[in-house]
Amino acid sequence: GQQVMQIPQYQHVQEGEDFTTYCNSSTTLSNIQWYKQRPGGHPVFLIQLVKSGEVKKQKRLTFQFGEAKKNSSLHITATQTTDVGTYFCAGPDRGSTLGRLYFGRGTQLTVWP
Amino acid sequence: EADIYQTPRYLVIGTGKKITLECSQTMGHDKMYWYQQDPGMELHLIHYSYGVNSTEKGDLSSESTVSRIRTEHFPLTLESARPSHTSQYLCASSPTVAVYNSPLHFGNGTRLTVT
Repeated sequence: GQQVMQIPQYQHVQEGEDFTTYCNSSTTLSNIQWYKQRPGGHPVFLIQLVKSGEVKKQKRLTFQFGEAKKNSSLHITATQTTDVGTYFCAGPDRGSTLGRLYFGRGTQLTVWP
Repeated sequence: EADIYQTPRYLVIGTGKKITLECSQTMGHDKMYWYQQDPGMELHLIHYSYGVNSTEKGDLSSESTVSRIRTEHFPLTLESARPSHTSQYLCASSPTVAVYNSPLHFGNGTRLTVT
């Protein structure tokens, strides 16, 4: 099946510092999704990227989809304690736009006040 | 917030017991999924369904079974619980109206402990 690799697994930052997590696939993805899971909570959908080279912003969060549609990143500018949680990327089955999603291992973000 | 409900929220049960984890959604979504997640770890797909009477096994070997008799209901059953089944079980659903994969809506999860 499809594998989506995500790095780093853990990231500890001081409040106000920036944070980036990266997602890579060995095959071209038709689209990629990002989710956030707060400690003790469930994953919540953040955004979906579908176009090559696409960049989307949500306040301090910037999402990018690579030109080859094999990698993606989530960048948070000036982290806040409310950003704490695990960020997952998820990509579909190889060659499928409607199939199931494969989740990366996630990046656990800790923000020190 | 999505209308997808899981019960129970927490469950502690002895080895060998049969248990059913409930999942219901009121959004009319065709697709439903069960994921297993250990604390702080990745999500593993154990079962999914594309509609009524359609169920498939996921990637993680599981001794559980599912059924999809009604669109809104997707229960997960463990015939004989073991300590290795201790984990969090997340149910999710998504519509099939979009061209691309629709976002998943997750329930709050069931935290299962098998003693």
